[in-house]
Amino acid sequence: GAVVSQHPSWVICKSGTSVKIECRSLDFQATTMFWYRQFPKQSLMLMATSNEGSKATYEQGVEKDKFLINHASLTLSTLTVTSAHPEDSSFYICSARDIRGARGYEQFFGPGTRLTVL
Amino acid sequence: AQSVTQLDSHVSVSEGTPVLLRCNYSSSYSPSLFWYVQHPNKGLQLLLKYTSAATLVKGINGFEAEFKKSETSFHLTKPSAHMSDAAEYFCVVSSLGTDKLIFGTGTRLQVFP
Repeated sequence: GAVVSQHPSWVICKSGTSVKIECRSLDFQATTMFWYRQFPKQSLMLMATSNEGSKATYEQGVEKDKFLINHASLTLSTLTVTSAHPEDSSFYICSARDIRGARGYEQFFGPGTRLTVL
Repeated sequence: AQSVTQLDSHVSVSEGTPVLLRCNYSSSYSPSLFWYVQHPNKGLQLLLKYTSAATLVKGINGFEAEFKKSETSFHLTKPSAHMSDAAEYFCVVSSLGTDKLIFGTGTRLQVFP
């Protein structure tokens, strides 16, 4: 149980275009979803936290107009990288949790999406 | 502010020998500490967590970690490495009751036959 998927697993796009990444909780309802960014050989950095039906809360230094997050349902959150540039190339990972459930604050992670902007 | 420092970026062991992955933490509060493992093309998986109960925490796949407040450490150990243990391991800290997980820089474990 507690499986999280991401789609696509990798994407290559041209500079200036927008890319949407989906994060789905497959067998549970996620009251909260998180988006992380991981640079090569570096740690995961939290970008934003989204609660279902609410606006996302962005971490300091993360441009909310560039990284649009939508958490419209209890099983789906999307991250849209708008007007992508090569410096946005990274590994994006989402996680989800159901605070109402027995496992409370535990986050379940997706497999990640590799974004390459040319 | 909370932080974790993973002291080794790479650790190499032979199959069947012990594994030690080191982690030191910094926290103003009583921390919750975690170890996650990341296999290629798979999501991060929780190995074990410490939340102020027993200081020796047993996790999945034979891993365990000991919380040592005096040393501000939370090292991950396994008595006998298996080839399938080769992966990236992250030490993580969060403050009790908050949403944020703060990740260390990771330790890549290689296991040689």
